[in-house]
Amino acid sequence: QSALTQPPSASGSPGQSVTISCTGTSSDVGGYNYVSWYQQHPGKAPKLMIYEVSKRPSGVPDRFSGSKSGNTASLTVSGLQAEDEADYYCSSYAGSQEVFGGGTKLTVL
Amino acid sequence: QVQLVQSGAEVKKPGASVKVSCKASGYTFTSYGISWVRQAPGQGLEWMGWISAYNGNTNYAQKLQGRVTMTTDTSTSTAYMELRSLRSDDTAVYYCARGGDTAMVNYWGQGTLVTVSS
Repeated sequence: QSALTQPPSASGSPGQSVTISCTGTSSDVGGYNYVSWYQQHPGKAPKLMIYEVSKRPSGVPDRFSGSKSGNTASLTVSGLQAEDEADYYCSSYAGSQEVFGGGTKLTVL
Repeated sequence: QVQLVQSGAEVKKPGASVKVSCKASGYTFTSYGISWVRQAPGQGLEWMGWISAYNGNTNYAQKLQGRVTMTTDTSTSTAYMELRSLRSDDTAVYYCARGGDTAMVNYWGQGTLVTVSS
C-alpha cells in the first residue's frame, strides 16, 4: 500500500485560508468515505481534526473543514491563526489497511 | 476522561524484540479497537495495525506481517504491541490510539520511544 500524496509544505498569513490536498487511489481515498486529518505539533501526539472526510470531532474549531473529490481529499483551514502552524497528515481506510500521507508542514507567515 | 498511558522508552539491540503496552482508562475498553502508529525521527506517521478489543481480531500493515503481534488484556484494559527481529530502521516513537478500522481515532497515547542500536 503506497502512501497518500501530500504537498510537503503550505503557508498563509494570519486570517487567510489555506487548503492542503491528499491524493490517493480508488483503493483508498476514492473508494471509501473514511478520510481523516491529523494535526501534530513538534514533540506531541497527533490530534484528530477531521474524520469521515468532513466531520469535526467535538472541540475542533469550525475553521477546519474537509472535503473529497474522486481520489483527492482536502483540508481547508480558514482564518489562519498562529497556533495552526503544525504538521498535518491525512489518512485513509484502504480495506483492512490504513494508509497515511507523507505530511504537510503548515507555516503561518 | 479517556486516557491511554504507554510504557516507557526502550533501547534494544538489532535482532531483539520489544513489547510496548498501552493502558486505557475512562471508557469501556472492549467497545473500541486500538490502533498502533509509529513515527521515525523527523519522518511521517506510519500505520502499523489495529486490534479489536472486543474479540481480538487484528489487521497488520503488510510490510510488518510476520514481525508484529498485537494483543489485548481485557482484565487490565491494556493493549500490547510486540515487534520482533528489530532493525535500526525500527527506531521510532510508537503510539497507540483508540479507534481505527473505520472508527475515528480520537485519543492517543503519549508515545514510546524505541531505539534500536548496537
